Formats: sequence, C-alpha cells, structure tokens
Amino acid sequence: DGGITQSPKYLFRKEGQNVTLSCEQNLNHDAMYWYRQDPGQGLRLIYYSQIVNDFQKGDIAEGYSVSREKKESFPLTVTSAQKNPTAFYLCASSIRLLGYEQYFGPGTRLTVT
Amino acid sequence: GQQVMQIPQYQHVQEGEDFTTYCNSSTTLSNIQWYKQRPGGHPVFLIQLVKSGEVKKQKRLTFQFGEAKKNSSLHITATQTTDVGTYFCASPEGGTALIFGKGTTLSVSS
Repeated sequence: DGGITQSPKYLFRKEGQNVTLSCEQNLNHDAMYWYRQDPGQGLRLIYYSQIVNDFQKGDIAEGYSVSREKKESFPLTVTSAQKNPTAFYLCASSIRLLGYEQYFGPGTRLTVT
Repeated sequence: GQQVMQIPQYQHVQEGEDFTTYCNSSTTLSNIQWYKQRPGGHPVFLIQLVKSGEVKKQKRLTFQFGEAKKNSSLHITATQTTDVGTYFCASPEGGTALIFGKGTTLSVSS
C-alpha cells in the first residue's frame, strides 16, 4: 500500500523545545515538501527537496530545519527559534519537482504552549 | 515573488446551485494545478492545466486556463454536499516548487 505517512497526528510541546515531525514515503518519489497551514492562509512552503542530500528553503523557512539523508524520508525540525510554531504541518511528495502532482500525507497538528 | 490570488475566500451555496472559484496571477503561469481539501483532511490533487485556453471536465467540475495563462477557474455544476471543502490552485514559481493560493472554502446546505 503506497503513500505518505506522517507521525504523530497530534503533537504537544512546551515553548523552548525543538520538535521533529516525521514524513516517510514509499512512492519512490524524488521530490518532497513541507508546508505549514494556518486558518485562512492556505499552504505555505517551508522547505523542499528535489533529491537526496539536497534541499531548498521555501517562503517561511526561518525557525525550521530539514534533512534528506534517504529518498523516502524528509523529517522537519521545528526549532525554538520559530516564533509561532502552532500549526498544521503537511508533508508532500511528487515524482520530480516540476510538472507533477503532489501527494500529501495526513498532516501533523502541532500545539506549542 | 509570484503569487496566485484566489477569490472568493468563502462561498456558501444551497445544494444544487453552481459554484465558481477563480485564480489570478500578474505573471504568466507555466501551468496550474487544482487541489481539494475536505474538512479535517489533506489536499488531494484534482487536475493540472498546461495549455493556453485549456478546458478540462471531471463530471460536474469544469476547469479552465485563461488564454493569457494568467488566470484559471474551477466551476462546479449543481453542487452536492460532497463538494464541501477548500479548493486550492497552485503554480510553480520561477521554475521551483509549487506556490499555493489561499484557497476558497465552499460550504453547501441541503
């Protein structure tokens, strides 16, 4: 059964703590993405990766970090430097970067208090 | 950078009425994709338009790409309660990753 998995579905953290969100895909896709979704704001791109060991900043990369050590995995770390980390985080993948549909995972809802 | 502007932000219709959402850009778009996100769910790809003036249909949904490739629309004929959700357009910015519009949230009352 192919797809994208994100875990956990809900995550609660205290302010000042770093937290890592998991994203795994078994679709053999080269490109992977992280988006943040806030009410009324649509999907804003945090980071994306075209290929293993390469990634690029999106529109709102400040306070976030990623790694792409394996093709199937693209974890996102929300650092304590991120001023408003509470949000819904979506991971996606596509065959390649341009011209292909994106497949989304179910998302992780992060709450930081 | 490039932005795709979507209007309206919200739309409420009675079941059976039609619905249209528009996506506009100040720059020429190489292609445009449409996604639907059900309440509590994740975005799901609907379609991609590439050619100037292109029109594609999926049952009650009609997608159009403008002649100048600066705008696009999604029209739903005779809405049903299953059409509820947020519809996003998205287009690659400067040859990089997709940039999404803010979406149009559709609610339908029966």
